[in-house]
Amino acid sequence: QKEVEQNSGPLSVPEGAIASLNCTYSDRVSQSFFWYRQYSGKSPELIMSIYSNGDKEDGRFTAQLNKASQYVSLLIRDSQPSDSATYLCAVNIRTGNQFYFGTGTSLTVIP
Amino acid sequence: DVKVTQSSRYLVKRTGEKVFLECVQDMDHENMFWYRQDPGLGLRLIYFSYDVKMKEKGDIPEGYSVSREKKERFSLILESASTNQTSMYLCASSPGTLREQYFGPGTRLTVT
Repeated sequence: QKEVEQNSGPLSVPEGAIASLNCTYSDRVSQSFFWYRQYSGKSPELIMSIYSNGDKEDGRFTAQLNKASQYVSLLIRDSQPSDSATYLCAVNIRTGNQFYFGTGTSLTVIP
Repeated sequence: DVKVTQSSRYLVKRTGEKVFLECVQDMDHENMFWYRQDPGLGLRLIYFSYDVKMKEKGDIPEGYSVSREKKERFSLILESASTNQTSMYLCASSPGTLREQYFGPGTRLTVT
């Protein structure tokens, strides 16, 4: 089992819809969770960080964390064509500085 | 804004050459990382450093070494480049343990 797993997609949603991206992780003691957006040919860009159970909202983005079920999700409301990108989930494994990244979910927002 | 810069966006080297990739961050971050990214494999950690002159192996350190002589600079060295090291190399920095990472623009290395 991989440390961090994401559905690779592609996920297609119409403009204005809600996009839902999911990520599961293997280590029960993980404490830090991040979502990154990566446009084709570019480097990952931090969107959200979440450290405790529940929801965290930032503009059109909401991160949801459920440690008991070991999953973290990202909701994008009012999806725009500019949201079309690959979304990476990152989780710290064990303690310390090492993070594992999922392989990413490709999202396409259709105008 | 956090700024992480990498010395080259594109690099072409020959098999057997020694290759240096440089990374500089301007936010006084403690931790710095080197990843490579390959299609279908995602981001894989090569080495990281949590202090000057300190280094830790990641998941795929073979064929690589690193140097951190100053807090703001973290170098990745390919001792003898091979074609299977053709990849996108990404440097990142982080302000502390369990904190977010900020990435540089990446270096696309081709070894022929």
